[in-house]
Amino acid sequence: AQSVTQLDSQVPVFEEAPVELRCNYSSSVSVYLFWYVQYPNQGLQLLLKYLSGSTLVKGINGFEAEFNKSQTSFHLRKPSVHISDTAEYFCAVSEGWASGSRLTFGEGTQLTVNP
Amino acid sequence: DVKVTQSSRYLVKRTGEKVFLECVQDMDHENMFWYRQDPGLGLRLIYFSYDVKMKEKGDIPEGYSVSREKKERFSLILESASTNQTSMYLCANAGTGDNEQFFGPGTRLTVL
Repeated sequence: AQSVTQLDSQVPVFEEAPVELRCNYSSSVSVYLFWYVQYPNQGLQLLLKYLSGSTLVKGINGFEAEFNKSQTSFHLRKPSVHISDTAEYFCAVSEGWASGSRLTFGEGTQLTVNP
Repeated sequence: DVKVTQSSRYLVKRTGEKVFLECVQDMDHENMFWYRQDPGLGLRLIYFSYDVKMKEKGDIPEGYSVSREKKERFSLILESASTNQTSMYLCANAGTGDNEQFFGPGTRLTVL
């Protein structure tokens, strides 16, 4: 069975600082990987996804993530954060076509950007 | 603008009541999902459906049931609500072969 671990439950940073949110997964087959963001009192929206091809994936709002198969990681990065990036971030994994679009989510990381 | 709507944003019910949470999507997607979200636990899958009248148990189906009579509508039912079902409930949908899921705004349910 697949699983996802987000290594930090809370990440406080100052505005304009770089940030990395860490995600590790376990699976016995090839996977698709996703990062979602949830702003207060809203549902989740997709930041970026890795399906195949280049291991460096660029998403919305200046975020990017790198798929590392040997380390089974998919860490999310942004070089300079804004106050508006304060939100909860979820990493998710799917075992591709066989899973029928089913996702397994991590526990979430609360990113707080301070002025 | 594509939409996934949930019947209520906030709901307060009493222990033992039957509760219906409804989700409607206009994306013509086959797959629909119900999750509950709790602090520190992320999203956990309750039930999902690949097609009309089809349903599959997720990771935490106990105490819940679902109904999918039409492609665009997926209902979550709490037969007899309990306080441990106080949570945020999120509905999502995805197309066939496309693992990206699209989420509704969520229903925050409080059971007293």
